[in-house]
Formats: sequence, C-alpha cells, structure tokens
Amino acid sequence: KNQVEQSPQSLIILEGKNCTLQCNYTVSPFSNLRWYKQDTGRGPVSLTIMTFSENTKSNGRYTATLDADTKQSSLHITASQLSDSASYICVVSLPNQAGTALIFGKGTTLSVSS
Amino acid sequence: DGGITQSPKYLFRKEGQNVTLSCEQNLNHDAMYWYRQDPGQGLRLIYYSQIVNDFQKGDIAEGYSVSREKKESFPLTVTSAQKNPTAFYLCASSIDAGLDYNEQFFGPGTRLTVL
Repeated sequence: KNQVEQSPQSLIILEGKNCTLQCNYTVSPFSNLRWYKQDTGRGPVSLTIMTFSENTKSNGRYTATLDADTKQSSLHITASQLSDSASYICVVSLPNQAGTALIFGKGTTLSVSS
Repeated sequence: DGGITQSPKYLFRKEGQNVTLSCEQNLNHDAMYWYRQDPGQGLRLIYYSQIVNDFQKGDIAEGYSVSREKKESFPLTVTSAQKNPTAFYLCASSIDAGLDYNEQFFGPGTRLTVL
C-alpha cells in the first residue's frame, strides 16, 4: 500500500534554533517528492520538489534531502523564525497517473516560540 | 494578480442542504482539483478535471459533484448525501494533470461546517 509517514507529529522549538522533519514513504514506483508549508487556515504552498535522482534541494532557509534507496526524506529548517510556525506536508508523486498521482502525508505541526 | 481564489472562506450548512463551493483560477491551467482536509489527516482527492467539460472521481467522490464549464472555474457541490461534510476544502490547479513534475498550486480554502 502506498503510504507517506511523517515524524514527529508535532514539534516546538525556540526562535533561532534549527530543526529537521522526517518523511518515510512506501510509494512505488516513485516520480518525485514535494514538501509543502501550510499556515493555519490557509492552502499549502510548495517549498521544494525533488525527483528520484536529486539528493538535496534548498529554498532559502529550507533544505530538503532525499534518499531514494531508503525511501526517506527530511526537511531541515535553519535559524527558525516565528513565521515558520505551520504544518509541513510531505507529498510523494506516482508517475504517469493523471490527477490521482499525489500521496499526502499527515503533516508535522511546527511551533516556533520566542 | 494571478492565483487561485476560493469562496466563501467560511460556510455553514444545515443538514439536508446542498451547498456549492467556488474555485476560480487565472493561471491558465488546464487541470483543477478538489481536496478535503480533516484534522490529523492527509489531503484526500475528491474530484479532478484535466480539461473543460471533463472530470474524474478521486478517492472520496461519494456525496460530491462538480462541473467544469469554463477553464477558469471548477465549482464543488456538497450534497445532502455526504454524511460527514464538515471539513476544510482545498482547490488546486496545475498546468497539466498528466505531467509528472507538475506542481499544484492551492487556493486559500473553504471551511465548511454543518450545523
């Protein structure tokens, strides 16, 4: 069964600290992996998209890594800010499937406190 | 100002009523999608449309209906047959539903509550 598991479920960190969110998937075959940021009550916004051949991709203070062999991805946030408080969703895409290709994780809720 | 808009932001429905959620995009995208998000759950696909006048059921289509009469618009109707409609509804669009590296852009969402 195609699944995307994220950990931890929730995380609280102090402003300025770094953190790493984890994503394990059992999706096969695999096309690409995406990380989205979703603020409370808003729609998700894309942070990174990686194909199976990419190991790392950065977007400002956000760095995503991918190990296609172990089927693990991580999202590292550097020097956290209060505005980083949000849910972070890992999404894995199946290839060649129109419309139904995305498998969503349940998300990690990050709270950054001052 | 390009993007996806959803209205209303909040919607209240009495049991037995049908309600329609609006989704409009001016990104010139061919594909549009409707997802449902429940607390502690991943997004689930309700319906998607690859082209005008065509749409396909997703994983949880029962109790919902859609239309795609214009490229820009993809309204979702939550019917009285949907047993548990209280949720956060997200509309998305992408250039083409068939491309693997196809980024989906999401609207701001509509929160539906059944009274």
